[in-house]
Amino acid sequence: AQSVTQPDIHITVSEGASLELRCNYSYGATPYLFWYVQSPGQGLQLLLKYFSGDTLVQGIKGFEAEFKRSQSSFNLRKPSVHWSDAAEYFCAVGASGNTPLVFGKGTRLSVIA
Amino acid sequence: DGGITQSPKYLFRKEGQNVTLSCEQNLNHDAMYWYRQDPGQGLRLIYYSQIVNDFQKGDIAEGYSVSREKKESFPLTVTSAQKNPTAFYLCASRSLDPGWNEQYFGPGTRLTVT
Repeated sequence: AQSVTQPDIHITVSEGASLELRCNYSYGATPYLFWYVQSPGQGLQLLLKYFSGDTLVQGIKGFEAEFKRSQSSFNLRKPSVHWSDAAEYFCAVGASGNTPLVFGKGTRLSVIA
Repeated sequence: DGGITQSPKYLFRKEGQNVTLSCEQNLNHDAMYWYRQDPGQGLRLIYYSQIVNDFQKGDIAEGYSVSREKKESFPLTVTSAQKNPTAFYLCASRSLDPGWNEQYFGPGTRLTVT
């Protein structure tokens, strides 16, 4: 069965600084990978997804993520963080077929001036 | 507007009472899902359904029940058997068309049981 690890529970960055959120997955075949963002008390919004092809994927709000098969990772990056990026971020993995996504426990991002 | 609606946004119940959370989607998605979210726990799957009148247990189904009588609707009942029902509940849906499709989420219902 697939699983997802987000090693960082909480990260604080300064506004304008770069950001990298880590995600490691466990799955035997090529996974389908997703990053979602959640503002407090809200549902989840898809930032980006990787199915196949180019390992660097672009998403909304200036985010990108890189799939590295050798490291079983799908880290999320943003070159310059804005205060509005403060939220919780979830990495998720899907197996082939119609199985539900499996989510990591999330990383809470705080942005300071 | 296409999307997923969950109602109500906040729900309060006394211990020992069953309560039903509503989830409706107009995206024509085949699959629907219920997740529970607790601080530091991420999203845990309660139940999911891929077709009308059929559903499967997720990782934490005990104390919950669902029905799928219509494609658009997937209500979740939190029964009195659920030991710690206070949580944030998220409903999601997904197309099962060929290929892989992301899950769309509703805004959530925060349930407080005292």
